[in-house]
Amino acid sequence: DAGVIQSPRHEVTEMGQEVTLRCKPISGHDYLFWYRQTMMRGLELLIYFNNNVPIDDSGMPEDRFSAKMPNASFSTLKIQPSEPRDSAVYFCASSPPGEVDNEKLFFGSGTQLSVL
Amino acid sequence: SQQGEEDPQALSIQEGENATMNCSYKTSINNLQWYRQNSGRGLVHLILIRSNEREKHSGRLRVTLDTSKKSSSLLITASRAADTASYFCATDQAGTALIFGKGTTLSVSS
Repeated sequence: DAGVIQSPRHEVTEMGQEVTLRCKPISGHDYLFWYRQTMMRGLELLIYFNNNVPIDDSGMPEDRFSAKMPNASFSTLKIQPSEPRDSAVYFCASSPPGEVDNEKLFFGSGTQLSVL
Repeated sequence: SQQGEEDPQALSIQEGENATMNCSYKTSINNLQWYRQNSGRGLVHLILIRSNEREKHSGRLRVTLDTSKKSSSLLITASRAADTASYFCATDQAGTALIFGKGTTLSVSS
């Protein structure tokens, strides 16, 4: 299995531009999570989905952030318009169904976002 | 919101020594997990301990959980240079996803 795949690996953009981050979870996993990591705030949960349905988006910082999961194998996190304070590493993670291992998260390698 | 807080923030040891890092949390949990993050990479699950367990082992890792003190510790025995990484504890609350602490950065020198 290729693991959780995120793209792009790095993104540099200018303030005000739209940014779209992409995630392909591990096949068969039914939970998908978006986290943001900064030195100041550590790892913050932004939103998570179960069976493609958003369950909790209370961590999404502002209306500028939106996330979708149109099918079981793809999710996007969009920032529009982007601001310098959005600069961070954004991680996608997934977890499997069932009684065994369903509480463990499998992380992608992250997208390093820099907003100038 | 931060649920778990690791201590110390940074730890430097020599190869062969043991490394101990601690995690404190605020509310009741179902389980507590430890993850490792190598520089520039995603987090990797290490071990999970449930609220009704007190100690768990996995290879060179030993995790303890004290629910009365709302704290956990991760012990890495006979550290290697390859153990250099950041270590995070993560806790769940009923109906929510994992909440991570800010991590302990471990540096193991040869």
